[in-house]
Amino acid sequence: DAKTTQPNSMESNEEEPVHLPCNHSTISGTDYIHWYRQLPSQGPEYVIHGLTSNVNNRMASLAIAEDRKSSTLILHRATLRDAAVYYCITGNQFYFGTGTSLTVIP
Amino acid sequence: NAGVTQTPKFQVLKTGQSMTLQCAQDMNHEYMSWYRQDPGMGLRLIHYSVGAGITDQGEVPNGYNVSRSTTEDFPLRLLSAAPSQTSVYFCASSTGRRLIGTEAFFGQGTRLTVV
Repeated sequence: DAKTTQPNSMESNEEEPVHLPCNHSTISGTDYIHWYRQLPSQGPEYVIHGLTSNVNNRMASLAIAEDRKSSTLILHRATLRDAAVYYCITGNQFYFGTGTSLTVIP
Repeated sequence: NAGVTQTPKFQVLKTGQSMTLQCAQDMNHEYMSWYRQDPGMGLRLIHYSVGAGITDQGEVPNGYNVSRSTTEDFPLRLLSAAPSQTSVYFCASSTGRRLIGTEAFFGQGTRLTVV
């Protein structure tokens, strides 16, 4: 199954943009790239997904590299509510890794 | 819509006891699945179902049984609880026949402690 690599943790100042990277160098041509986040003591929450083109929604943007071996989740203006663990998921079986723990500094 | 509802929210079991974790969704989703999350870890897939009457094993199925008699409900049964099953359990559902390429909805979790 496709495997992803994310930094264990990142920090951002409140109201600044955040770029969360994900490496998925073994992704297959038909694998989607999904991002979920998990706030403390809650279930995972859908953020965004894409296949080849960059995607935008009300929560975030997803920038996908041309070779699809990496992607970046962009939070345009971090708020304290965005402090969470962010998971990048590819492949058929939808396995979650340990994700990136985002700290937002007031 | 209530989305995905899990009950109970908290449970303490003694070793060897059995219990059923309930999961219900009101979105008419075909795909439902169960995950467990141990402290400091990501989620691991236990069992999943692509529709009523169809279930299959995930990454860590041992010690758990599932059935899917209706579209709405996907209960997870612990036959003989062990301390290694202490974890937070999440149920998820999505449209289509899997979580891929679509938005998945997760419940709030059941925190299970086996003593």
